[in-house]
Amino acid sequence: DAGVIQSPRHEVTEMGQEVTLRCKPISGHNSLFWYRQTMMRGLELLIYFNNNVPIDDSGMPEDRFSAKMPNASFSTLKIQPSEPRDSAVYFCASSFQGKPPPRQYFGPGTRLTVT
Amino acid sequence: QKEVEQNSGPLSVPEGAIASLNCTYSDRVSQSFFWYRQYSGKSPELIMSIYSNGDKEDGRFTAQLNKASQYVSLLIRDSQPSDSATYLCAVKRGNEKLTFGTGTRLTIIP
Repeated sequence: DAGVIQSPRHEVTEMGQEVTLRCKPISGHNSLFWYRQTMMRGLELLIYFNNNVPIDDSGMPEDRFSAKMPNASFSTLKIQPSEPRDSAVYFCASSFQGKPPPRQYFGPGTRLTVT
Repeated sequence: QKEVEQNSGPLSVPEGAIASLNCTYSDRVSQSFFWYRQYSGKSPELIMSIYSNGDKEDGRFTAQLNKASQYVSLLIRDSQPSDSATYLCAVKRGNEKLTFGTGTRLTIIP
């Protein structure tokens, strides 16, 4: 099992540029989560999908952030335009809803730096 | 008041001693409780889950839950240097959404 795959692992971009983060969940998992982690705010849930449908996007900070899940094996998180305060580590996680315990498996993360 | 609160530490414990990590939560309807370990520069990994009051043991780890007092704790017996990490407490209500604390940084001193 390859685990959750995220790309890129590191991204450095200038303020105002568009950033796209990618995630491939574990095969067979039907829930996918996007988190952001910073020293100040810890690990925050941005949005999660179940069966490719967004269920809760209340954590998405503002309209500059958008997420899609076009199929069961791929999701993107886009920031447009990016700002320095978006600098953080972004994690994608997946789980299989319905099989207890509801364990979430995290990907390795994307470290985003916006200058 | 934060939904999930943890002492940020750092917590320093001698090798071989018991490390005690604590977490409180504000939502009384929370049903499931988790401890994740995160090494520096790595992603969180689940080490313990607990759903009912009392203790749950798994090897050197024991999770304790007290719903009346709204706290959950993690004990690590015979602490090893490899236990040095940040420990994240997470709480779940009925849906799949997890709310995390900011974590406690634990250092085991050889």
